[in-house]
Amino acid sequence: LAKTTQPISMDSYEGQEVNITCSHNNIATNDYITWYQQFPSQGPRFIIQGYKTKVTNEVASLFIPADRKSSTLSLPRVSLSDTAVYYCLLSGAGSYQLTFGKGTKLSVIP
Amino acid sequence: DTEVTQTPKHLVMGMTNKKSLKCEQHMGHRAMYWYKQKAKKPPELMFVYSYEKLSINESVPSRFSPECPNSSLLNLHLHALQPEDSALYLCASSQGAGGGATDTQYFGPGTRLTVL
Repeated sequence: LAKTTQPISMDSYEGQEVNITCSHNNIATNDYITWYQQFPSQGPRFIIQGYKTKVTNEVASLFIPADRKSSTLSLPRVSLSDTAVYYCLLSGAGSYQLTFGKGTKLSVIP
Repeated sequence: DTEVTQTPKHLVMGMTNKKSLKCEQHMGHRAMYWYKQKAKKPPELMFVYSYEKLSINESVPSRFSPECPNSSLLNLHLHALQPEDSALYLCASSQGAGGGATDTQYFGPGTRLTVL
């Protein structure tokens, strides 16, 4: 699976919108883009998944440009409880494997 | 119910001990996974079971022995581990058994293993 690149860390104040961008220049035609959230000493939790354009759920939005070489996870009005590591992954059809990149450690400051 | 449970939460064992980690899901999922996560690193896939059969072994040392007694239960048997095997061991499950791009994996809380 193609590799993903994310910022190692980000800081944000409470109440702000946070955008985390993930680069995946070699994304395959049938790859989906998936984001997971992980709190310390807990298992990752699925946040959102998309293939193209924009996807929104009750937690976040995912923006994917037409060339699909990058994607942006948007967290509206973050709170202290959003402090976590956020992983961007590519998942391909017929593959069980989730290959986690290094992730982005988001720290929300009061 | 989207819960994957793992027991025990914490385990300390010596290098000569034999212990087992247990994972359970009651979502009717057909695929189950073991991951290993070292501190400040991303999870790494170890094993995948599909329809209770081992389908992927990511070249894991034989001191780790997985077992899937039924579709809801996944065990990881540990024997003669090394201190460097200390890590958080995560179990996950997903609905599809064919490995779909949109097949969401649900993770348990993990077992924190310390090998002395």
